[in-house]
Amino acid sequence: DGGITQSPKYLFRKEGQNVTLSCEQNLNHDAMYWYRQDPGQGLRLIYYSQIVNDFQKGDIAEGYSVSREKKESFPLTVTSAQKNPTAFYLCASRDPGYGYTFGSGTRLTVV
Amino acid sequence: DQQVKQNSPSLSVQEGRISILNCDYTNSMFDYFLWYKKYPAEGPTFLISISSIKDKNEDGRFTVFLNKSAKHLSLHIVPSQPGDSAVYFCAASEKGTSGSRLTFGEGTQLTVNP
Repeated sequence: DGGITQSPKYLFRKEGQNVTLSCEQNLNHDAMYWYRQDPGQGLRLIYYSQIVNDFQKGDIAEGYSVSREKKESFPLTVTSAQKNPTAFYLCASRDPGYGYTFGSGTRLTVV
Repeated sequence: DQQVKQNSPSLSVQEGRISILNCDYTNSMFDYFLWYKKYPAEGPTFLISISSIKDKNEDGRFTVFLNKSAKHLSLHIVPSQPGDSAVYFCAASEKGTSGSRLTFGEGTQLTVNP
């Protein structure tokens, strides 16, 4: 079955630590995205990548970093510079049209 | 600057009745609009979309209406079913922009009561 796999589903981080969220897709999509969901604020774009070895900042990129070394993988690192990292993180990929496929998300909690 | 707005955080309807979810946008360059449905702790799933060259698109119980002059779209669900209870996100895309990124509204929690 083609789809997007995000892991882990739940993640706890101590303040001051970096943490990496995994996103893998087997849909052969070129474009991939990271969104963050906070209550009452919808989904906000963190980073996106249209092709391997290339990525662009979204609306709230500060405190985050990404890499796109393989077409299938688009990991997101939440650094200690992110002031309020507790949120639900969603990864998505897009087909050549407008079709977005989302992963099931990772809930990150800072303890 | 919230370019896509869903002004109703929640909506409650009776089973069998019509649910109407609304969405407004400010960016006149948006030319493709989508609705997503989301359950808690899951990723959004695509529901229905509409291109700016149309004013209506229908798929089973779901119909999306687009009023370009008012920069307004709405999602009608009829008849509503308890399984429709979820958060509904409106999203818009600007053709030709890098990566065809989607801009989302804040979401509306729909509750369908049996």
